[in-house]
Amino acid sequence: QQQVKQSPQSLIVQKGGISIINCAYENTAFDYFPWYQQFPGKGPALLIAIRPDVSEKKEGRFTISFNKSAKQFSLHIMDSQPGDSATYFCAARGNTGGFKTIFGAGTRLFVKA
Amino acid sequence: NAGVTQTPKFRILKIGQSMTLQCTQDMNHNYMYWYRQDPGMGLKLIYYSVGAGITDKGEVPNGYNVSRSTTEDFPLRLELAAPSQTSVYFCASSYAQYAETQYFGPGTRLLVL
Repeated sequence: QQQVKQSPQSLIVQKGGISIINCAYENTAFDYFPWYQQFPGKGPALLIAIRPDVSEKKEGRFTISFNKSAKQFSLHIMDSQPGDSATYFCAARGNTGGFKTIFGAGTRLFVKA
Repeated sequence: NAGVTQTPKFRILKIGQSMTLQCTQDMNHNYMYWYRQDPGMGLKLIYYSVGAGITDKGEVPNGYNVSRSTTEDFPLRLELAAPSQTSVYFCASSYAQYAETQYFGPGTRLLVL
């Protein structure tokens, strides 16, 4: 079964610090790796995404690092702010069999002011 | 655009009761999805639809049914509610099956007692 393993389950970071969330996948038939951000009481929303032919993608304070050989990717949030406090999901989209998206279990981030 | 809307926001069901979770999108997306979100488990795909009249099972379809009579609507039916179906349900849509972004509704919180 295709899986995406995400860690840590929860994370507390001081304001201004770096938040790092890691994900690993087991199937090579993925072609797109998005990160979704979810605030309490809301649905997930796409934050940033990367394709496997790129090792890094940066959008503002958010950076994805991708290691294809290790089948790992991570989200780095620089200068973390209290407004970043949310649950973050990594995901991987298959490139066959319906292009289904598999989600990680989620990381609850709390940024202390 | 309202995006993806879901009703109700919250519902309490007794074991054995049935109900329909409503989902509507106004973005003219062909692809629609139903996920359930359990604490620490991420998002699990229940059913998805590639267009009006076409639906298919996801990862956890047992106990649920769907229909897609129009492009806009994708209701999820629970016939005999069980405590294991206590969860938060999210509907999502995307422009195409290979589309990179899924747009999520605000969710329906269901409690089965």
